[in-house]
Amino acid sequence: QQQVKQSPQSLIVQKGGISIINCAYENTAFDYFPWYQQFPGKGPALLIAIRPDVSEKKEGRFTISFNKSAKQFSLHIMDSQPGDSATYFCAAYTIQGAQKLVFGQGTRLTINP
Amino acid sequence: NAGVTQTPKFQVLKTGQSMTLQCAQDMNHEYMSWYRQDPGMGLRLIHYSVGAGITDQGEVPNGYNVSRSTTEDFPLRLLSAAPSQTSVYFCASSYSTPEGEQYFGPGTRLTVT
Repeated sequence: QQQVKQSPQSLIVQKGGISIINCAYENTAFDYFPWYQQFPGKGPALLIAIRPDVSEKKEGRFTISFNKSAKQFSLHIMDSQPGDSATYFCAAYTIQGAQKLVFGQGTRLTINP
Repeated sequence: NAGVTQTPKFQVLKTGQSMTLQCAQDMNHEYMSWYRQDPGMGLRLIHYSVGAGITDQGEVPNGYNVSRSTTEDFPLRLLSAAPSQTSVYFCASSYSTPEGEQYFGPGTRLTVT
């Protein structure tokens, strides 16, 4: 049972466009939502994270939008560049119970030049 | 700092063989974890540890053992390899919990024939 559902599985965007990846969760106890970026042949690396007390967080071209009532959050990449081509994972964590970070299925993003 | 190191990078096993995947970190992190990455499944937690001498199961622990005798090392043992364990394995560490940045190793690509 996937606790965090991520879509789409793959995404192709033209250079300069906006890339949008969506995630949904069920467990209302989740209180930390990071996004990880993974380049081919490498381990994932933290990109940006948000807590449910804010609806949006922006770091450069990357923005997380968070909708607590809908239990959804999304990653927006503005002015997408070929160097953004990677696999992106959303994740969720709660301090309640076991110390586990739960990941979504991943989205392979390709930015065409 | 070397960060999180994993050995070997690649391994081919025959069904029924056992082996140990090595993971080490030099950042004095208390929390360490093992994930497996399979296409369309994202990153799934196998086992994790919140400190030396303390380990617990993740989502997919069957067929794997771990131990944590030191803060630095967190080896993953495959007891009797099966083709279903063909995957890419990542070790990760963070300061005290998965909240905040998790640092991933470069991964081990394992094939079981």
